[in-house]
Amino acid sequence: GAGVSQSPSNKVTEKGKDVELRCDPISGHTALYWYRQRLGQGLEFLIYFQGNSAPDKSGLPSDRFSAERTGESVSTLTIQRTQQEDSAVYLCASSPVNLQGNIQYFGAGTRLSVL
Amino acid sequence: DAKTTQPPSMDCAEGRAANLPCNHSTISGNEYVYWYRQIHSQGPQYIIHGLKNNETNEMASLIITEDRKSSTLILPHATLRDTAVYYCIVRPYNTDKLIFGTGTRLQVFP
Repeated sequence: GAGVSQSPSNKVTEKGKDVELRCDPISGHTALYWYRQRLGQGLEFLIYFQGNSAPDKSGLPSDRFSAERTGESVSTLTIQRTQQEDSAVYLCASSPVNLQGNIQYFGAGTRLSVL
Repeated sequence: DAKTTQPPSMDCAEGRAANLPCNHSTISGNEYVYWYRQIHSQGPQYIIHGLKNNETNEMASLIITEDRKSSTLILPHATLRDTAVYYCIVRPYNTDKLIFGTGTRLQVFP
C-alpha cells in the first residue's frame, strides 16, 4: 500500500517568506508526527497529532511555526517569515495509534532551503 | 528521558554479520528499545523493537541484556545496501515522540 507522502520534496525560498509543507499519512493512521533534521544531525521532534488534535506541540521552535491536521488525514506545517536557520529536512511520520510498542512510518521528507 | 549511547561509526564486510551496540543504562522497566535506520537522503526506516525478550524479524535480530541496560542489533548478512545511519531509541513511556541521537554510521564494504 501507499506510504507516507510529503510534498514538495524540495523547496527553495527567500528569507522572510512563508512556506507550507504537506504530509499525507498512511490511510487509517490516527497519529501523525513532524520532525526536523538539520544537516548531519539526528531528528528533532516538532509536534504530534492524535486525530485532528495536537496534544504535544513542545518541539515547535518558535511562534513562526504552526501545524494543523484536518479530516484525521492531511497535515500542513507552516513556517512564517522563514529564516536561514530554518533550512533543514522536515520529516513526517504516521502510526496507527499512539502506543508504546507502536511503529512510526516516515515519509521521504521535504528539503527546505532558505536563501 | 532515557538516553542512548552508540559508537559514531562502524565498518563491516559484505556478507558478514554486523553487530551494532547500544547502551541505555537509565532505561525504565516499561520503555521499549527501537531501532531505525536512515539511508542517505531518505526518511528513517523502522527495523525492529523490543521490551525484554530478544526479537527477530526478516531484517534483523535484537538482543537485549537481562538487566536491559544495553542491546545489540544484528544484521546477519550485511549487504552494501545496509550502509546507513542506525539509530537506537528508547521511547519514554509517557511521551509520544521518538528521541533520536546521532546514531551509528555503518559502512558495509565489498
